[in-house]
Amino acid sequence: RKEVEQDPGPFNVPEGATVAFNCTYSNSASQSFFWYRQDCRKEPKLLMSVYSSGNEDGRFTAQLNRASQYISLLIRDSKLSDSATYLCVVERGGSTLGRLYFGRGTQLTVWP
Amino acid sequence: GAGVSQSPSNKVTEKGKDVELRCDPISGHTALYWYRQSLGQGLEFLIYFQGNSAPDKSGLPSDRFSAERTGGSVSTLTIQRTQQEDSAVYLCASSSHGAQHFGDGTRLSIL
Repeated sequence: RKEVEQDPGPFNVPEGATVAFNCTYSNSASQSFFWYRQDCRKEPKLLMSVYSSGNEDGRFTAQLNRASQYISLLIRDSKLSDSATYLCVVERGGSTLGRLYFGRGTQLTVWP
Repeated sequence: GAGVSQSPSNKVTEKGKDVELRCDPISGHTALYWYRQSLGQGLEFLIYFQGNSAPDKSGLPSDRFSAERTGGSVSTLTIQRTQQEDSAVYLCASSSHGAQHFGDGTRLSIL
């Protein structure tokens, strides 16, 4: 089983739509969680960290369910500029602290 | 510099040649990571440095791949006797605490 699994999509939504991405991770010892964004032929960039209490940054809301080992990202009022691949990322603790495990990404296209 | 710097940005070489990729992390970042990404694929972890030591080399695909880091700063990834399957974008990232910051990558093409 892969460390991090995501639905690859693609998700094609109109401007203004709300879209949600889900991700599951296999190692219960994982301790830090992130969503990264990667534009075509560009490097990944941190979108937001994910906290157990859930957190929001503008139109973006991230949730973590440790019991189910499940992470989500909700994008409200989608913009054309949100089109990208969204990577779910998990960091384990212990001896592999610092090593990040990336999902393969979920592709989002927002159309006018 | 302000961000992670990688060089060269593009490298085209013949099969069988050795290549050396360089990463200059964000100043003060103690952790440095190498990944590679093939077209349309996810990121593949290669190796991780904490300071000058590499506690996790498990992602290196073969003994043709090696990496070093000196002075707790610049790192080089060396691929010996390159093969066509080595063609990919090689990404370097650094971090201090928490999230990693990526360079623009080196696009490696093996002919």
